[in-house]
This record gives sequence, structure tokens and C-alpha cells, in this order.
Amino acid sequence: DTGVSQDPRHKITKRGQNVTFRCDPISEHNRLYWYRQTLGQGPEFLTYFQNEAQLEKSRLLSDRFSAERPKGSFSTLEIQRTEQGDSAMYLCASSTPPGGSTDTQYFGPGTRLTVL
Amino acid sequence: QKEVEQNSGPLSVPEGAIASLNCTYSDRGSQSFFWYRQYSGKSPELIMFIYSNGDKEDGRFTAQLNKASQYVSLLIRDSQPSDSATYLCAVRDSGGGADGLTFGKGTHLIIQP
Repeated sequence: DTGVSQDPRHKITKRGQNVTFRCDPISEHNRLYWYRQTLGQGPEFLTYFQNEAQLEKSRLLSDRFSAERPKGSFSTLEIQRTEQGDSAMYLCASSTPPGGSTDTQYFGPGTRLTVL
Repeated sequence: QKEVEQNSGPLSVPEGAIASLNCTYSDRGSQSFFWYRQYSGKSPELIMFIYSNGDKEDGRFTAQLNKASQYVSLLIRDSQPSDSATYLCAVRDSGGGADGLTFGKGTHLIIQP
């Protein structure tokens, strides 16, 4: 499978616990994005990386959220001290830089987080 | 704040007819426009992108862009029951370095057999 992969696909946790999600982008893509989607809403942008550099963070990304892409390949998104409002689908996408013939974002299957 | 507006629907269309999905956006700096299809419980799947004013056709799908009116649409010809899904409109402002997509809430499309 050469698409974007995410792990785990589902996560159930108790309020106050920390969770970490992983995203593996399409191998030749150097841009990686995280979004969050709640029921009935479109995806909301959280942050993105070009190679290992985190270039933009949304105001939605509170200080409980941190994302890394240490070697410019896979990325992790950690949520500390989870709250019930964090329950959502967390989506990862990857792309090549704008201007190329394929500067579109392709999404992974998502990680569905439920905070009890 | 950038906004993308879509009618949430549901939009019900008979099988074989043309489905017309519309989207407006607030940021005149938006330069790239995308349509994604999302089945219930699944992640968004890219259908088309468009950068220039006018029409762009790909099979049964046609995207239309009017930057002066800040309007983008998606036409689906010969609608099939498998086209029943939520269609998300997304825009990107590539000029200012911000590369995250801004999505609308999506339009729920139902194709009636």
C-alpha cells in the first residue's frame, strides 16, 4: 500500500491520559499535515511540516498538543491530559510542495479518538 | 478569518441526473480549490482540484471556478447511487505561505435509485 497510513485507527482513553498517534506519509511527499474532524464538520487544520520543519500551527493547537517529524518521514501527534472535547477523527495528509503537478493533499484513513 | 460556505443539504438527486454542488469562500487571496468526497466513517478522498477561472472536466465530474464571485462548484453528470456521500469544498491560500486547507462543512448528497 503506497498511500498515507495512520496508527492506531481507533483509540479509546480516559480523560486526563496522554495519547500519541502516528502518521506515515506517501514516501516521496515531503509535506505532512494534521487535521481534526468532528461530526458534521469539515476537517480543521492543525499543523504542517515540510521535511522535519514545523512551518505552521493553528490556534486550535493548544499547548496540550504537540507534533513532531524528527527525520522528515513519519510524524507523531501527542495530546496530553486529554479532555472529552478532544474526541474527534484525527486526519493526516501528505503532499508535494505547491507548483508541482501533484500539489494536492492526500489523506490517510484517520485515527478516531474517544475520550471517556 | 477564512470561511468556506456550503449548503449542508441533504441534496437529493435522481439517478442519472446532474448533481450540482456549490461553495463560496471569503478570502480573495485563495488560489487553489479542491473537492473531496467523504463516505460516512471514512477519510476525505480527492476528486478534483482547480486553480484557474473556468471549467475543468474529469470524467463525470466538472469543477467550475469564478474568482470574481468567490464561487466554486462541482457538477456530477449521470449520478450513480455510489456518488451518495458528503462532498467537501476546500481552499488554500498559497500566496502567504500558509498551506493548510480551509474546508467547508460539506454537502450531503443522496442519489435516489
